Amino acid sequence: QVHLQESGPGLVRPSETLSLTCNVSGDSINNFQYFWAWLRQPPGKGLEWIGSISSSGSAYYNPSLGGRLTISVASSKQHFSLRVDSVTAADTAVYYCARQGAGNMKDWGQGTLITVSS
Amino acid sequence: EIVMTQSPATLSVSPGERVTFSCRASERIGDNLAWYQQKPGQAPRLLIYGATTRATGIPARFSGSGTGTEFTVTITSLQSADFAVYYCQQYKTWPPAYTFGQGTKLEIK
Repeated sequence: QVHLQESGPGLVRPSETLSLTCNVSGDSINNFQYFWAWLRQPPGKGLEWIGSISSSGSAYYNPSLGGRLTISVASSKQHFSLRVDSVTAADTAVYYCARQGAGNMKDWGQGTLITVSS
Repeated sequence: EIVMTQSPATLSVSPGERVTFSCRASERIGDNLAWYQQKPGQAPRLLIYGATTRATGIPARFSGSGTGTEFTVTITSLQSADFAVYYCQQYKTWPPAYTFGQGTKLEIK
């Protein structure tokens, strides 16, 4: 059974860069059947897809979030990462990583709360 | 962007009842629709994909229907574990531009 675990700083200052990592166990991150995704949920609000990456490193991003995003995969380390540049208070959210099937999010990490504040 | 609209926003029902709630897409998405269940403080869980296929481990009292722009989930004989927020998500677009509905909250009457 696959297990995903997010790790991140908890608190980020405005205008700085947010970096998150998702460690994957129970399945190979090289499994070509799946993509690996990042999503987020602001406090008390709904879900938003951030982006996804294939095991070969092809990344796709939510066009509404602009060019601030970078998703990368480290196959040898069984993890993938998210970087968000120039964060603002609007980036405060619980961030989830997920194993993505044919567009749907089959398995989720428990989530990590990221607060953007000075 | 494909906009997903869920209705109603909140549904008050009693345990044992049958309930149906809906999701509408702003353009046709075929059967490229998933439903998720989220309980307070937990990550979402995949319930249904392909509009009608239950995910692994999901009880048979959950069923999904619809295609194109109109989709529904029906839960027969509600149990206490079913009270949660439910989200729909479309995954028709390529390259990916996945979008979610705003959620339907199922609460105990």
